[in-house]
Amino acid sequence: AQTVTQSQPEMSVQEAETVTLSCTYDTSESDYYLFWYKQPPSRQMILVIRQEAYKQQNATENRFSVNFQKAAKSFSLKISDSQLGDAAMYFCAYRSAGFGSNAGGTSYGKLTFGQGTILTVHP
Amino acid sequence: KAGVTQTPRYLIKTRGQQVTLSCSPISGHRSVSWYQQTPGQGLQFLFEYFSETQRNKGNFPGRFSGRQFSNSRSEMNVSTLELGDSALYLCASSWDRDEQYFGPGTRLTVT
Repeated sequence: AQTVTQSQPEMSVQEAETVTLSCTYDTSESDYYLFWYKQPPSRQMILVIRQEAYKQQNATENRFSVNFQKAAKSFSLKISDSQLGDAAMYFCAYRSAGFGSNAGGTSYGKLTFGQGTILTVHP
Repeated sequence: KAGVTQTPRYLIKTRGQQVTLSCSPISGHRSVSWYQQTPGQGLQFLFEYFSETQRNKGNFPGRFSGRQFSNSRSEMNVSTLELGDSALYLCASSWDRDEQYFGPGTRLTVT
């Protein structure tokens, strides 16, 4: 079974500064997807960024970028020029890219989440 | 394009009752997944439906069930509610095996 670990329960950053959130995962699969989701106080989960394991290039989305280290099974999120609206709980998530069912159950539709990191942005 | 919608947004039930939650996916999405979020256990996968068939199931008791209709709308049912079922229930939709987009959730309180 896959596991996702976020070792930082809380992080804080000054507005306009840069912050990095850590995530490690454990899997025996070679093909998978990794995601960062943001959950603000409204509790709406918002997709921030996605990384395919087969791609060596790190994904970027505007102020958000990842450092994907496949061998180390590490997937950190860097937020540049932090804004007050970035304050939220951030979840790292893993999803298998496996095709078809297997004796141990299917991999379809299942996101495995880390415990989350609460990010506070100070003005 | 409208996002994922969930109804109701808030629900209060009594122990022993049953409850049905509804999820309407983004238009064109065929997969709907359900998750339970609690402070103690975090986000846990319940099940996933694709084209009216359950494709995957998490480690929850049989009291938790779901279904999907031909228009891809999905419902989940919890029978014989327990206090520990109090949680935020999130559904997410995707076209197939790509990224999932979440609804606002249904906050269930069991008293």
